[in-house]
Amino acid sequence: GQQLNQSPQSMFIQEGEDVSMNCTSSSIFNTWLWYKQDPGEGPVLLIALYKAGELTSNGRLTAQFGITRKDSFLNISASIPSDVGIYFCAGRYGQNFVFGPGTRLSVLP
Amino acid sequence: NAGVTQTPKFQVLKTGQSMTLQCAQDMNHNSMYWYRQDPGMGLRLIYYSASEGTTDKGEVPNGYNVSRLNKREFSLRLESAAPSQTSVYFCATPLNTGELFFGEGSRLTVL
Repeated sequence: GQQLNQSPQSMFIQEGEDVSMNCTSSSIFNTWLWYKQDPGEGPVLLIALYKAGELTSNGRLTAQFGITRKDSFLNISASIPSDVGIYFCAGRYGQNFVFGPGTRLSVLP
Repeated sequence: NAGVTQTPKFQVLKTGQSMTLQCAQDMNHNSMYWYRQDPGMGLRLIYYSASEGTTDKGEVPNGYNVSRLNKREFSLRLESAAPSQTSVYFCATPLNTGELFFGEGSRLTVL
């Protein structure tokens, strides 16, 4: 089945550092979504992007919908310990959603 | 996650046993989804229901059946569980703006 490529797979950063992760696809999507999943919980929506080129912020998080509609990135500024978790990207076309394998983020104090 | 409730949260089965995972949403949404999540992989769609009484296969439907008897509930049944079905199962429904809203998950281990 169709899948998205997400990078990096995992990252260890110091508290206070900025983080950048991205998601790429061979297919075009109408919507890009970024989710965060804490251990033992379901994914929670962070940011939704609806058109190519769109740049959207949610607090310390910023995400962009790539111009080609085949990629998206997520930046986290000034990381804090509660940013630890797995970050998933998802692309939507119609009623179909395709998910990336996730980026596991660890924040060292 | 208020709005989508999954039961049970944890279950251990022996190979060959059957069980049903329940999902209920109180958002009055038409569409509901069942996904499975395995380490290192993205969420994979098992079954999808566009409305009450309709269901469609997703990417990995083998070994599963679903039932959408009413708008609120969408159940996932394993008739004869296999170790390969050890996974975390998520039910989801799209918000009015289109993003998927997930339940907290059901963690299944098949021995």
